[in-house]
Amino acid sequence: DTAVSQTPKYLVTQMGNDKSIKCEQNLGHDTMYWYKQDSKKFLKIMFSYNNKELIINETVPNRFSPKSPDKAHLNLHINSLELGDSAVYFCASSQDGGMSAFFGQGTRLTVV
Amino acid sequence: GENVEQHPSTLSVQEGDSAVIKCTYSDSASNYFPWYKQELGKRPQLIIDIRSNVGEKKDQRIAVTLNKTAKHFSLHITETQPEDSAVYFCAARMDSSYKLIFGSGTRLLVRP
Repeated sequence: DTAVSQTPKYLVTQMGNDKSIKCEQNLGHDTMYWYKQDSKKFLKIMFSYNNKELIINETVPNRFSPKSPDKAHLNLHINSLELGDSAVYFCASSQDGGMSAFFGQGTRLTVV
Repeated sequence: GENVEQHPSTLSVQEGDSAVIKCTYSDSASNYFPWYKQELGKRPQLIIDIRSNVGEKKDQRIAVTLNKTAKHFSLHITETQPEDSAVYFCAARMDSSYKLIFGSGTRLLVRP
């Protein structure tokens, strides 16, 4: 029974397209995150929602738009995809606002 | 803002030897320090964490130490095994923030 699940696992798309990644957690956590991991393995926070409210919005291009329909879901929509968006995107959740974050399996996005 | 530096970037040890990974953080308000292990193609997984009111924590072969005055913390793995080979990330979080800031990662290779 997967605690934090993301779909799709792999996403290959052309430049200029719009795509979405979905995330769901069944842990009952209040806080959810999106992290980007580049080819050098740096894990950089992008967004965080607490009880459906946006609380962290790092310096991410506004082509990236998160949406949290309820506290168990946090989706990421990306407009006008660029080559530099290629990375692994991880969703995570935590109960204690950043402590003991539990990661999803990641979505490997490749923009060609 | 918070910054976390991690060293070394790569570490190669013989099976059975110990491995030590060190991190420093910039914000003295940080109070939570987790360590994550990421195997190739997998999600980061929490392996141990420590809070600022504790100086050391141990769980079987792994231990974490924290020096608040010097603002650094370390991961110690004893009796290393080939399955310990992975990328290890340290992280830090401030009490007032939901943001978990990661170090740049250490690639540990345990040679059989």
